[in-house]
Amino acid sequence: NAGVTQTPKFQVLKTGQSMTLQCAQDMNHNSMYWYRQDPGMGLRLIYYSASEGTTDKGEVPNGYNVSRLNKREFSLRLESAAPSQTSVYFCASSGRQGKDTQYFGPGTRLTVL
Amino acid sequence: GESVGLHLPTLSVQEGDNSIINCAYSNSASDYFIWYKQESGKGPQFIIDIRSNMDKRQGQRVTVLLNKTVKHLSLQIAATQPGDSAVYFCAENIGGTSYGKLTFGQGTILTVHP
Repeated sequence: NAGVTQTPKFQVLKTGQSMTLQCAQDMNHNSMYWYRQDPGMGLRLIYYSASEGTTDKGEVPNGYNVSRLNKREFSLRLESAAPSQTSVYFCASSGRQGKDTQYFGPGTRLTVL
Repeated sequence: GESVGLHLPTLSVQEGDNSIINCAYSNSASDYFIWYKQESGKGPQFIIDIRSNMDKRQGQRVTVLLNKTVKHLSLQIAATQPGDSAVYFCAENIGGTSYGKLTFGQGTILTVHP
């Protein structure tokens, strides 16, 4: 099993450009999450999906949209990137919302110029 | 909302020593706590968790202690090895309708010297 995979690993954008970060898990998990991690800080929840077909806002959702494409895939979209969105983005999944350990992907390092 | 914080941002130990990493939390409604290890360039890796109805839980070389009276959480690593060098995060989950949404602390950098 690959666990949680994320693409791309690195990305540089100009202000105003859009992009989608992809996440997939092969653990048959119901819940999936998107976090951002800024230098010297812990992770902050952007959006989560408790189960296929549902999505909810986390702590810092502004400037982002998500799509739970199917049980395996959960994408994060930046419609108009801003320098404040320069960060490392992590996707995670768990079997049951809040009742099982969250497993994290390797991250996408995004720089917005 | 209330946040999780750490007492010490860095900790340096010698190989073979025991390490203790501390975490303070302020949300009395938190009922689930997790410790993660993050190596450079990688995603967080689950180490151990504890629920609020317990005060101690042991894993392989790791022990988590929870003191609800003073809202304090600690991670003890026995016989620390160079491979333990990483950033360690505590995270809390309030439970209820927020179950599954974690709030992370800033992290403690653990450096193990051979």
